Amino acid sequence: DTEVTQTPKHLVMGMTNKKSLKCEQHMGHRAMYWYKQKAKKPPELMFVYSYEKLSINESVPSRFSPECPNSSLLNLHLHALQPEDSALYLCASSQDPWASDGYTFGSGTRLTVV
Amino acid sequence: SQQGEEDPQALSIQEGENATMNCSYKTSINNLQWYRQNSGRGLVHLILIRSNEREKHSGRLRVTLDTSKKSSSLLITASRAADTASYFCATDEGTGANNLFFGTGTRLTVIP
Repeated sequence: DTEVTQTPKHLVMGMTNKKSLKCEQHMGHRAMYWYKQKAKKPPELMFVYSYEKLSINESVPSRFSPECPNSSLLNLHLHALQPEDSALYLCASSQDPWASDGYTFGSGTRLTVV
Repeated sequence: SQQGEEDPQALSIQEGENATMNCSYKTSINNLQWYRQNSGRGLVHLILIRSNEREKHSGRLRVTLDTSKKSSSLLITASRAADTASYFCATDEGTGANNLFFGTGTRLTVIP
């Protein structure tokens, strides 16, 4: 298995809702990442997990809450989002946080906040 | 943070022509990577070049790196309609960790 799987592919949520994005990989990668991408912009790093521990939080608002239950799974919990949070949320993994290798990206979750 | 800027922002060529995209960055790096993104999809890793390398090839791709100028270029030879996508460079900003920060991207259109 050489894929990163993200679910759901599309999500529409209200500003008072609580939802979660899920990301899964079975490549034995020990680093996992969340990126946010607005239309026609580059991906922006949100969170980095290294060996299931949060190592970087790039000044992301607390309405985004990451969780890494095990080495294969990464969640992003969403609560009280704003319309400007609508974006493509991308999950990625790499073999090792220090290995300087390429990332494997999932196809993303297209989030719309109404 | 975002440290890479790509040039041009958009490029339109005929099938069979070569496409060259440039990336400039601001800090020292350990490596620079190129990714492709089809519209609204995830990114695909194309090639990685380390800071002590000057040129690297992979199939129809050729990447150069000039650390003195803090710039890199991606050349796609004999382009195909399927190469139509956005191309991003990404660097680790010299952190030593594998945390990637992406450039602004080049939107390539290959006309059949």
